[in-house]
Amino acid sequence: GAVVSQHPSRVICKSGTSVKIECRSLDFQATTMFWYRQFPKKSLMLMATSNEGSKATYEQGVEKDKFLINHASLTLSTLTVTSAHPEDSSFYICSAQGGGSGANVLTFGAGSRLTVL
Amino acid sequence: DAKTTQPPSMDCAEGRAANLPCNHSTISGNEYVYWYRQIHSQGPQYIIHGLKNNETNEMASLIITEDRKSSTLILPHATLRDTAVYYCIVRVVYNFNKFYFGSGTKLNVKP
Repeated sequence: GAVVSQHPSRVICKSGTSVKIECRSLDFQATTMFWYRQFPKKSLMLMATSNEGSKATYEQGVEKDKFLINHASLTLSTLTVTSAHPEDSSFYICSAQGGGSGANVLTFGAGSRLTVL
Repeated sequence: DAKTTQPPSMDCAEGRAANLPCNHSTISGNEYVYWYRQIHSQGPQYIIHGLKNNETNEMASLIITEDRKSSTLILPHATLRDTAVYYCIVRVVYNFNKFYFGSGTKLNVKP
């Protein structure tokens, strides 16, 4: 089946630094990937849609300059949390559509837990 | 923009069937019903999806009412490893339409 890999799985950084999270579709091409954020004991919140070769589209209320998304190839999307602060601490999850699970199914990565000190 | 309503939690005895309900009374004709689950601190896992016919795969069965306003996910023989949050999502299937998650149902499978 389709596999989506996220790296790193956990990251701790100091306030004010930037952190990059990678999302790769391992065995299929994904022209579109989605980024979600999840707070403890809460549901997933869609942040943005990442489109290969074009600008990402952000959900209402998500700061574009804070959460930079780059989809440079058909298998890689990156989320950069810029000038991170403690309130950016969260579980970030990416997903991609397609691959062996079917064109209409979203496959999710295992998530990246960000802790900002 | 979640369009589904699910009970916040349910209990199920190990080995018994788990029946998880979902209300989607405003579903439109071109929207599918998807079910995902999330085990603690992992990414969501796809379970099953359907449009109007009942569906079955190796993980579960999906029963959609004739008016499509509600559905039930059935795990035929729940195990402790099925303890997770189960999300019911409605989504139009074309043009990479987005998945919006609701609050889900926490299923507790007990020995």
